[in-house]
Amino acid sequence: SAVISQKPSRDICQRGTSLTIQCQVDSQVTMMFWYRQQPGQSLTLIATANQGSEATYESGFVIDKFPISRPNLTFSTLTVSNMSPEDSSIYLCSASPGSNEKLFFGSGTQLSVL
Amino acid sequence: SQKIEQNSEALNIQEGKTATLTCNYTNYSPAYLQWYRQDPGRGPVFLLLIRENEKEKRKERLKVTFDTTLKQSLFHITASQPADSATYLCALASSGNTPLVFGKGTRLSVIA
Repeated sequence: SAVISQKPSRDICQRGTSLTIQCQVDSQVTMMFWYRQQPGQSLTLIATANQGSEATYESGFVIDKFPISRPNLTFSTLTVSNMSPEDSSIYLCSASPGSNEKLFFGSGTQLSVL
Repeated sequence: SQKIEQNSEALNIQEGKTATLTCNYTNYSPAYLQWYRQDPGRGPVFLLLIRENEKEKRKERLKVTFDTTLKQSLFHITASQPADSATYLCALASSGNTPLVFGKGTRLSVIA
């Protein structure tokens, strides 16, 4: 299993600013992912964080808006850049020791943009 | 386009009864399907995985079926308890290397 610590747990930000969310896993994992969950909606995959290389982004998400780092097998960050109220959402980090057959999730970051 | 639908947004059930949640999908050929539980303010927690060549899987009071002809999975909680109240998400992937795609979830309330 994997325990994921995600911070901050919540934040209120001003329009035009950026927020970096950190995700720390208590063991080395092969795969790390960033999801967004808007109220009443399903989890939407933003990107797969690749260790030592650029993240793989899903359709509708771009690196300039959501830069991701993954310097090692236990840590990743997601930055939400130049925020607007439409970015208000819950952002979730997840990880898997192997394939995506079983994902572990952090508790999420509740982001509100004013 | 690909779509995952969970039968209802909310389901209320009496304690002790069996809760049945439905997950339907279109335009997918999933290698496996997973069920997760999510409590308010928390991330999803993995419950069960069932592969395309499996019809049924059980874990304690949980049972999952998978019908690739109907393109449907059923998730059962027997002898339901108020502590089972949560949102249940289904998710599927075409392979171990493709992204996991989630449904919107069904919010289950078990009433004592």
